[in-house]
Amino acid sequence: QSVLTQPPSASGTPGQRVTISCSGSSSNIGSNYVYWYQQLPGTAPKLLIYRNNQRPSGVPDRFSGSKSGTSASLAISGLRSEDEADYYCAAWDDSLSGAGVFGGGTKLTVL
Amino acid sequence: EVQLVESGGGLVQPGRSLRLSCAASGFTFDDYAMHWVRQAPGKGLEWVSGISWNSGSIGYADSVKGRFTISRDNAKNSLYLQMNSLRAEDTALYYCAKDTHDSLELPVDWGQGTLVTVSS
Repeated sequence: QSVLTQPPSASGTPGQRVTISCSGSSSNIGSNYVYWYQQLPGTAPKLLIYRNNQRPSGVPDRFSGSKSGTSASLAISGLRSEDEADYYCAAWDDSLSGAGVFGGGTKLTVL
Repeated sequence: EVQLVESGGGLVQPGRSLRLSCAASGFTFDDYAMHWVRQAPGKGLEWVSGISWNSGSIGYADSVKGRFTISRDNAKNSLYLQMNSLRAEDTALYYCAKDTHDSLELPVDWGQGTLVTVSS
C-alpha cells in the first residue's frame, strides 16, 4: 500500500489529453513539492516534473503538472505512442523523521 | 553530463550483509543531497534513504530503518548503502539518484541501478 495513491492504469488515443492523479495527505503533498517520473520498460526513471509544475530542460511542454491541496495531477497533451510508460508521483513526507514517498505508479497505454 | 554508476549488487543469503556503492561524476558532488531508491521485480518505486550534502540530514524508509546505513565520501564523489540483516523482501534493483539541491528533497538524476537478490 503506497502512501500516495495513483490509479493503476490510464489510457488514451494518439493526440488526446490524459491526466493522471496523485492523492496524498497534509504531511506530504499538502506541505511539500510533488515530483513526477516517467519509466519506460527496462529503463531507469526519468524526471518529468519537479516542484509541482516545473519542467526540466528537454521535457516537452506536452507534459504539465499541477497541485491543489493534498492532490496533484500530471497532464499529457497531444498523446504519442512513445508516451506509453509507467508514471510515478513522489513527495517528501514530514511525518515521523521525514522520508520520501512514491505513488504506486500508473501504467499509461496508448491505444 | 551527470553520471551515476552503481556497483556492489549480487546474490546474498538472508541475514547477510552487502554494501552498495555509487560513483558520481559530471557535477559537483558535495553541492547535492543524494538518495537510494529501489524497485522490486515487477513492482513500483520505493524510496529507501537520503543524505544531505554534508551528511547532516539523513532519512530512511521504515522498511529499512535500523538495518541499512547510508553514507557519502565527498572527497571520493561516492555514495554508499550498507545493508545488514537482509531479507527476501529486500530483493530489488537499487538506484542511486541525485537531488535537486543540497538538502533533502527528491531525486532528479538516476543511475542505471544494481540488482540485489536475497535468497538461500
